[in-house]
Amino acid sequence: QLQLQESGPGLVKPSETLSLTCSVSGGSISNTNEYWGWIRQPPGKGLEWIGNIFYRGRTYYNPSLKSRVTMSVDTSKNQFYLNLSSVTTADTAVYFCARRRIPDYWGQGTLVTVSS
Amino acid sequence: DIQMTQSPSTLSASVGDRVTITCRASQSISSWLAWYQQKPGKAPKLLIYDASSLESGVPSRFSGSGSGTEFTLTISSLQPDDFATYYCQQYHSYSLITFGQGTRLEIK
Repeated sequence: QLQLQESGPGLVKPSETLSLTCSVSGGSISNTNEYWGWIRQPPGKGLEWIGNIFYRGRTYYNPSLKSRVTMSVDTSKNQFYLNLSSVTTADTAVYFCARRRIPDYWGQGTLVTVSS
Repeated sequence: DIQMTQSPSTLSASVGDRVTITCRASQSISSWLAWYQQKPGKAPKLLIYDASSLESGVPSRFSGSGSGTEFTLTISSLQPDDFATYYCQQYHSYSLITFGQGTRLEIK
């Protein structure tokens, strides 16, 4: 059974970079032709797609976040990553990692709060 | 941008009711639409993809229909476990995926 788990700091200061890791177990990131992605949800609000990455490195980012987002993959660690730079309080959200553009497997989500 | 608009925002219903949630796209997305169920504190769960294909393991009381710009999610007979928030998602383009704002299904 495929499992995804987000990890990273729960508190980030404004103007700094938010960095999260998604660890995949029960399957290999590079054994499929799937995209992997990040989605976020501000407290009490709806879902926002951040972007997707293919294991070979091809990326697609939400245009509204594109200037601040970088995603990467480490197939040797079976992990993929999210960096979001120059964060503000508007970036406070639960961040989910997921498999596929139509996510069928999700991590449990991790709350990241942007505050000084 | 492709905007997705769900209606209603909140729906009150009783166990056994048949309910329908609508999702409208600001432009045609063919059948590139999915539906998710989310419960508080949990990740969303995929119910329907490609507008009408039922995800494996999802009860058959859930069904989806539509194409182009108008889509519906129908629950044929509400069960207690179905009270949750539902989201539609379009994936017409690799470079922009968008979700509807959500429909909260609550107990009447």
